[in-house]
Amino acid sequence: EDKVVQSPLSLVVHEGDTVTLNCSYEVTNFRSLLWYKQEKKAPTFLFMLTSSGIEKKSGRLSSILDKKELFSILNITATQTGDSAVYLCAVEEGTDKLIFGTGTRLQVFP
Amino acid sequence: EAQVTQNPRYLITVTGKKLTVTCSQNMNHEYMSWYRQDPGLGLRQIYYSMNVEVTDKGDVPEGYKVSRKEKRNFPLILESPSPNQTSLYFCASSQGWDTQYFGPGTRLTVL
Repeated sequence: EDKVVQSPLSLVVHEGDTVTLNCSYEVTNFRSLLWYKQEKKAPTFLFMLTSSGIEKKSGRLSSILDKKELFSILNITATQTGDSAVYLCAVEEGTDKLIFGTGTRLQVFP
Repeated sequence: EAQVTQNPRYLITVTGKKLTVTCSQNMNHEYMSWYRQDPGLGLRQIYYSMNVEVTDKGDVPEGYKVSRKEKRNFPLILESPSPNQTSLYFCASSQGWDTQYFGPGTRLTVL
Protein backbone atom coordinates (compact mmCIF):
# COMPACT_ATOMS: atom_id res chain seq x y z
CA GLU A 1 0.00 0.00 0.00
CA ASP A 2 1.28 3.44 -0.93
CA LYS A 3 2.11 5.62 2.05
CA VAL A 4 3.79 8.85 3.05
CA VAL A 5 5.12 9.23 6.59
CA GLN A 6 6.20 12.50 8.14
CA SER A 7 8.23 13.04 11.27
CA PRO A 8 8.21 14.41 13.81
CA LEU A 9 4.46 14.82 14.31
CA SER A 10 5.02 17.99 16.27
CA LEU A 11 7.93 20.31 16.97
CA VAL A 12 8.27 23.26 19.33
CA VAL A 13 11.25 25.59 18.92
CA HIS A 14 12.37 29.13 19.73
CA GLU A 15 12.83 31.86 17.20
CA GLY A 16 16.20 31.62 15.51
CA ASP A 17 16.44 27.85 15.72
CA THR A 18 16.94 25.68 12.65
CA VAL A 19 14.52 22.82 12.07
CA THR A 20 14.51 19.78 9.81
CA LEU A 21 11.27 18.08 8.85
CA ASN A 22 11.29 14.60 7.38
CA CYS A 23 9.14 12.86 4.82
CA SER A 24 9.58 9.23 3.78
CA TYR A 25 7.51 7.44 1.22
CA GLU A 26 6.65 4.13 -0.33
CA VAL A 27 4.75 4.46 -3.59
CA THR A 28 4.46 2.23 -6.60
CA ASN A 29 5.01 4.80 -9.31
CA PHE A 30 6.76 7.85 -7.90
CA ARG A 31 6.73 10.99 -10.02
CA SER A 32 7.33 13.92 -7.67
CA LEU A 33 7.26 15.06 -4.06
CA LEU A 34 5.67 18.28 -2.92
CA TRP A 35 5.81 20.33 0.26
CA TYR A 36 2.98 22.56 1.45
CA LYS A 37 2.54 24.96 4.35
CA GLN A 38 -0.84 25.06 6.05
CA GLU A 39 -1.60 27.81 8.50
CA LYS A 40 -5.16 28.23 9.67
CA LYS A 41 -6.59 27.87 6.21
CA ALA A 42 -5.84 26.05 2.96
CA PRO A 43 -2.41 24.60 2.15
CA THR A 44 -0.07 26.73 0.09
CA PHE A 45 2.58 25.31 -2.20
CA LEU A 46 6.25 25.47 -1.18
CA PHE A 47 8.34 23.12 -3.31
CA MET A 48 8.09 20.43 -5.93
CA LEU A 49 10.97 17.94 -6.16
CA THR A 50 11.52 15.45 -8.93
CA SER A 51 15.26 14.80 -9.02
CA SER A 52 17.55 13.44 -6.32
CA GLY A 53 20.19 15.64 -4.78
CA ILE A 54 19.06 18.95 -6.23
CA GLU A 55 18.24 21.43 -3.50
CA LYS A 56 15.30 23.75 -3.93
CA LYS A 57 15.56 26.98 -1.98
CA SER A 58 13.25 29.84 -1.15
CA GLY A 59 14.52 32.33 1.39
CA ARG A 60 15.08 30.52 4.66
CA LEU A 61 13.40 27.34 3.43
CA SER A 62 15.12 24.61 1.47
CA SER A 63 14.33 21.05 0.52
CA ILE A 64 16.05 18.09 -1.03
CA LEU A 65 14.98 14.68 -2.27
CA ASP A 66 16.75 11.31 -2.03
CA LYS A 67 15.08 8.89 -4.45
CA LYS A 68 17.37 6.04 -3.50
CA GLU A 69 16.50 6.18 0.20
CA LEU A 70 12.94 7.36 -0.52
CA PHE A 71 12.81 10.47 1.61
CA SER A 72 12.89 14.23 1.55
CA ILE A 73 13.76 16.86 4.13
CA LEU A 74 12.52 20.39 4.55
CA ASN A 75 14.89 22.74 6.36
CA ILE A 76 13.93 26.05 7.88
CA THR A 77 16.77 28.22 9.16
CA ALA A 78 16.49 31.15 11.58
CA THR A 79 12.86 30.30 12.32
CA GLN A 80 10.34 33.05 12.98
CA THR A 81 6.94 32.96 14.66
CA GLY A 82 5.38 33.31 11.21
CA ASP A 83 6.79 29.89 10.33
CA SER A 84 4.36 28.31 12.79
CA ALA A 85 2.14 26.03 10.71
CA VAL A 86 1.51 22.46 9.70
CA TYR A 87 3.91 21.35 6.97
CA LEU A 88 2.52 18.76 4.61
CA CYS A 89 4.43 16.42 2.35
CA ALA A 90 2.70 14.83 -0.62
CA VAL A 91 3.85 12.36 -3.24
CA GLU A 92 2.52 12.23 -6.78
CA GLU A 93 1.72 8.63 -7.59
CA GLY A 94 1.24 7.93 -11.28
CA THR A 95 -0.03 11.03 -13.04
CA ASP A 96 -3.23 11.78 -11.26
CA LYS A 97 -3.03 11.13 -7.55
CA LEU A 98 -1.46 12.91 -4.63
CA ILE A 99 -0.87 11.00 -1.43
CA PHE A 100 -0.40 13.21 1.61
CA GLY A 101 1.38 12.55 4.87
CA THR A 102 -0.28 13.51 8.14
CA GLY A 103 1.86 16.60 8.51
CA THR A 104 4.32 18.04 11.01
CA ARG A 105 3.02 20.77 13.31
CA LEU A 106 5.71 23.38 13.92
CA GLN A 107 5.32 25.94 16.69
CA VAL A 108 7.87 28.72 16.93
CA PHE A 109 7.90 30.75 20.14
CA PRO A 110 9.55 34.15 20.57
CA GLU B 1 -7.20 37.31 -9.00
CA ALA B 2 -6.57 33.57 -9.35
CA GLN B 3 -8.76 31.72 -6.93
CA VAL B 4 -10.74 28.64 -6.01
CA THR B 5 -14.02 29.31 -4.28
CA GLN B 6 -16.10 26.90 -2.24
CA ASN B 7 -19.59 27.23 -0.85
CA PRO B 8 -20.78 26.94 1.77
CA ARG B 9 -17.83 27.55 4.07
CA TYR B 10 -19.60 26.04 7.06
CA LEU B 11 -22.50 23.61 7.11
CA ILE B 12 -24.26 21.74 9.85
CA THR B 13 -26.76 19.17 8.65
CA VAL B 14 -28.50 15.96 9.71
CA THR B 15 -27.94 12.38 8.68
CA GLY B 16 -29.48 11.48 5.33
CA LYS B 17 -30.20 14.98 4.03
CA LYS B 18 -28.60 15.36 0.59
CA LEU B 19 -26.16 18.21 0.20
CA THR B 20 -23.87 19.72 -2.41
CA VAL B 21 -20.67 21.65 -1.85
CA THR B 22 -19.81 23.79 -4.84
CA CYS B 23 -16.30 24.49 -6.12
CA SER B 24 -15.34 26.92 -8.83
CA GLN B 25 -11.98 28.05 -10.25
CA ASN B 26 -11.15 30.95 -12.55
CA MET B 27 -7.76 29.79 -13.84
CA ASN B 28 -8.92 27.51 -16.68
CA HIS B 29 -7.20 24.59 -14.97
CA GLU B 30 -7.90 21.15 -16.33
CA TYR B 31 -7.30 19.23 -13.12
CA MET B 32 -9.56 19.55 -10.09
CA SER B 33 -9.87 17.45 -6.97
CA TRP B 34 -11.60 17.13 -3.63
CA TYR B 35 -9.88 16.29 -0.36
CA ARG B 36 -11.04 15.76 3.15
CA GLN B 37 -8.85 16.56 6.13
CA ASP B 38 -9.25 14.81 9.46
CA PRO B 39 -7.09 15.05 12.59
CA GLY B 40 -4.29 12.49 12.51
CA LEU B 41 -5.12 11.40 8.97
CA GLY B 42 -3.91 14.32 6.92
CA LEU B 43 -5.41 15.19 3.55
CA ARG B 44 -7.04 12.34 1.68
CA GLN B 45 -8.17 12.57 -1.91
CA ILE B 46 -11.86 11.81 -2.49
CA TYR B 47 -12.29 12.30 -6.24
CA TYR B 48 -10.39 14.01 -8.99
CA SER B 49 -11.12 15.16 -12.51
CA MET B 50 -8.62 15.51 -15.32
CA ASN B 51 -10.99 17.41 -17.57
CA VAL B 52 -14.64 17.95 -18.42
CA GLU B 53 -16.63 14.72 -18.11
CA VAL B 54 -13.54 12.83 -16.85
CA THR B 55 -13.59 11.90 -13.17
CA ASP B 56 -11.98 9.18 -11.10
CA LYS B 57 -11.96 7.91 -7.55
CA GLY B 58 -9.31 8.91 -5.08
CA ASP B 59 -8.53 7.10 -1.87
CA VAL B 60 -11.81 7.64 0.00
CA PRO B 61 -14.68 7.95 -2.53
CA GLU B 62 -17.34 6.00 -0.61
CA GLY B 63 -20.41 8.11 0.12
CA TYR B 64 -19.50 10.88 -2.33
CA LYS B 65 -20.31 11.77 -5.92
CA VAL B 66 -18.88 14.39 -8.23
CA SER B 67 -19.57 15.78 -11.66
CA ARG B 68 -17.57 17.89 -14.11
CA LYS B 69 -19.92 19.33 -16.69
CA GLU B 70 -17.96 22.55 -17.09
CA LYS B 71 -14.25 23.15 -16.76
CA ARG B 72 -14.56 25.71 -13.97
CA ASN B 73 -16.96 23.81 -11.66
CA PHE B 74 -16.53 20.60 -9.71
CA PRO B 75 -19.30 20.07 -7.14
CA LEU B 76 -19.11 17.46 -4.40
CA ILE B 77 -22.37 15.68 -3.66
CA LEU B 78 -23.25 13.75 -0.51
CA GLU B 79 -26.43 11.85 -1.33
CA SER B 80 -27.02 10.59 2.20
CA PRO B 81 -24.54 12.15 4.61
CA SER B 82 -23.51 10.27 7.72
CA PRO B 83 -21.68 11.45 10.86
CA ASN B 84 -18.41 9.88 9.70
CA GLN B 85 -18.40 12.41 6.87
CA THR B 86 -17.98 15.22 9.35
CA SER B 87 -14.73 16.76 8.20
CA LEU B 88 -12.95 19.72 6.64
CA TYR B 89 -13.21 19.58 2.86
CA PHE B 90 -10.89 21.25 0.36
CA CYS B 91 -11.33 21.66 -3.35
CA ALA B 92 -8.22 22.25 -5.44
CA SER B 93 -7.38 22.98 -9.04
CA SER B 94 -4.13 22.82 -10.93
CA GLN B 95 -2.48 22.73 -14.31
CA GLY B 96 0.56 21.00 -12.86
CA TRP B 97 1.20 19.93 -9.30
CA ASP B 98 3.38 22.97 -8.66
CA THR B 99 0.42 25.20 -9.48
CA GLN B 100 -2.17 23.53 -7.28
CA TYR B 101 -4.45 26.07 -5.64
CA PHE B 102 -6.66 25.10 -2.75
CA GLY B 103 -10.01 26.60 -1.92
CA PRO B 104 -10.66 28.07 1.55
CA GLY B 105 -12.24 24.88 2.87
CA THR B 106 -15.74 23.80 3.91
CA ARG B 107 -16.27 22.63 7.44
CA LEU B 108 -19.08 20.09 7.44
CA THR B 109 -20.77 18.67 10.51
CA VAL B 110 -23.27 15.84 10.11
CA LEU B 111 -25.42 15.21 13.18
